[in-house]
Amino acid sequence: EDKVVQSPLSLVVHEGDTVTLNCSYEVTNFRSLLWYKQEKKAPTFLFMLTSSGIEKKSGRLSSILDKKELFSILNITATQTGDSAVYLCAVVQTSGTYKYIFGTGTRLKVLA
Amino acid sequence: NAGVTQTPKFRILKIGQSMTLQCTQDMNHNYMYWYRQDPGMGLKLIYYSVGAGITDKGEVPNGYNVSRSTTEDFPLRLELAAPSQTSVYFCASRGDREGFGYTFGSGTRLTVV
Repeated sequence: EDKVVQSPLSLVVHEGDTVTLNCSYEVTNFRSLLWYKQEKKAPTFLFMLTSSGIEKKSGRLSSILDKKELFSILNITATQTGDSAVYLCAVVQTSGTYKYIFGTGTRLKVLA
Repeated sequence: NAGVTQTPKFRILKIGQSMTLQCTQDMNHNYMYWYRQDPGMGLKLIYYSVGAGITDKGEVPNGYNVSRSTTEDFPLRLELAAPSQTSVYFCASRGDREGFGYTFGSGTRLTVV
């Protein structure tokens, strides 16, 4: 069965800390892996990763994919209270059309 | 540019009632999706559409129906609502190039009592 597993399920840190969120997957016909940030409303797109070892970066956020070991990490440096959210990982699978398989998310809370 | 618009934002239904969740996008996206998100369960795909006139079941289609008569609109119909359908529902769309990921609507919180 195809699955995407995120860890930890939840995390509480203080402002200024660095966090690493994990996403592992067992999916057939892998095409890409995406990270989303979900605050109180809908998920917003962060990164798409298709190639191993190439880091994607946006400000204090960065992400990398390891297709051999079947995982990705999302790093957030110098965390701020505005980073508090649920971070979702999704794997895109191709089987005629693209199918997105979402993990359950990691809930991050950043304390002032 | 409104993106993906979902209505209503909140709704309480009684068991056995029916309703339609509306979803409209103005980005001319061919691909549209309906997900439900239960606490701690992530997003589960209900139905999806690859273009006007074409729909297909996702992981959890039972109790729902969809239609796609135009590129812009992808309504989700709940017939005979059940407590198990209490959830947050998200509509999403994407263009043909999947590199930009989904654009999600703001969600509909549905409670069935």
